[in-house]
Amino acid sequence: EDKVVQSPLSLVVHEGDTVTLNCSYEVTNFRSLLWYKQEKKAPTFLFMLTSSGIEKKSGRLSSILDKKELFSILNITATQTGDSAVYLCAACPQGGSEKLVFGKGMKLTVNP
Amino acid sequence: KAGVTQTPRYLIKTRGQQVTLSCSPISGHRSVSWYQQTPGQGLQFLFEYFSETQRNKGNFPGRFSGRQFSNSRSEMNVSTLELGDSALYLCASSLYPTSLISGANVLTFGAGSRLTVL
Repeated sequence: EDKVVQSPLSLVVHEGDTVTLNCSYEVTNFRSLLWYKQEKKAPTFLFMLTSSGIEKKSGRLSSILDKKELFSILNITATQTGDSAVYLCAACPQGGSEKLVFGKGMKLTVNP
Repeated sequence: KAGVTQTPRYLIKTRGQQVTLSCSPISGHRSVSWYQQTPGQGLQFLFEYFSETQRNKGNFPGRFSGRQFSNSRSEMNVSTLELGDSALYLCASSLYPTSLISGANVLTFGAGSRLTVL
């Protein structure tokens, strides 16, 4: 059965810290991996990763995919209180099983 | 451009009742997916619709059903509610099905409908 595992499940840091969120996956016919940020209710899209080793970057956030070891990381540098949210990782298979497979999410709390 | 709109935002039901949730996708989006989010299980896929056809269904009992209309709006229904159905139900839309997901075709989520079953 396809699955995505995120770690840690929760993390509390202070403003200015750097955090690394981990996401491992076991998906048949893997195609891409997505990261979402969920602050209140609606998850918002952060990154989509398809190729190994190519870093995607947006401001203080960056992410990379390792298709050999089947994992992805999301880095947040110089964290701010506004980064407090649940971060979701999802694997997208191709072919017959078209549904996204989500991890349980990682709750990040950034204290001032 | 309006986002994905879900109604109602909050609702409380009792066991045995049924509920219908509505989702209006972003204008022009033809694919609608539904997810159930609970603290213990995270986001779990319910179903996906494209052009009024159900393309895929998750591992949920037959009490969970859905449909999509010609204007791409979608509804999901849960009959004979159980306490365990309490959750945030998220709808997401995209231009094309998730099998064609790409940088130009990512899922955009609505704010969800929070269902509490007493």
